[in-house]
Amino acid sequence: AQTVTQSQPEMSVQEAETVTLSCTYDTSESDYYLFWYKQPPSRQMILVIRQEAYKQQNATENRFSVNFQKAAKSFSLKISDSQLGDAAMYFCAYLVEEGGSEKLVFGKGTKLTVNP
Amino acid sequence: DAGVIQSPRHEVTEMGQEVTLRCKPISGHDYLFWYRQTMMRGLELLIYFNNNVPIDDSGMPEDRFSAKMPNASFSTLKIQPSEPRDSAVYFCASSLAGTLQRHTQYFGPGTRLTVL
Repeated sequence: AQTVTQSQPEMSVQEAETVTLSCTYDTSESDYYLFWYKQPPSRQMILVIRQEAYKQQNATENRFSVNFQKAAKSFSLKISDSQLGDAAMYFCAYLVEEGGSEKLVFGKGTKLTVNP
Repeated sequence: DAGVIQSPRHEVTEMGQEVTLRCKPISGHDYLFWYRQTMMRGLELLIYFNNNVPIDDSGMPEDRFSAKMPNASFSTLKIQPSEPRDSAVYFCASSLAGTLQRHTQYFGPGTRLTVL
């Protein structure tokens, strides 16, 4: 079974600084998708960034970028110029399509605090 | 686009009562997912539909849970009878196949269910 591990239950960063959230996953598949979702106190799940495993280039979305290391099965999220609004739970997720079925498997999450 | 719409946002009920949660996916999306989020188990996929047909319901905890999708713009998740251990946040998500953003799931705001 696929698993997603976020080894940092909590992280903190100073406003305007950079922080990296870690994520590793376990899979025997070669074609899959990876995501980071943000869940602020409002509990809305907001897509931050996605990465296709067949793409070598790391995805970026404004201040958010990933470091995708396929061989190491690692998918970390870097937040640059952190803002107070970035404070939230961040979930790493993995999706693979198997035999017509697709499942999104989530990690346990990392709580990010942004200090002014 | 309005995004995924869920109702109610909060539901408080007593043990043994029937609970119905509702979801309207993003217009044109052909996949619909129901998730449950608890502190103990994190985010779990309960069931998902493709073109209104249930594809995988292996995550449905027991026979007390049922889900339907009578048309492309509406789905329900029903719990009958409800139990205190069903207390959780229930999310609905939708996605669209056949595009560059396929497999990207967009979440609704969730329904916080409390069973007393």
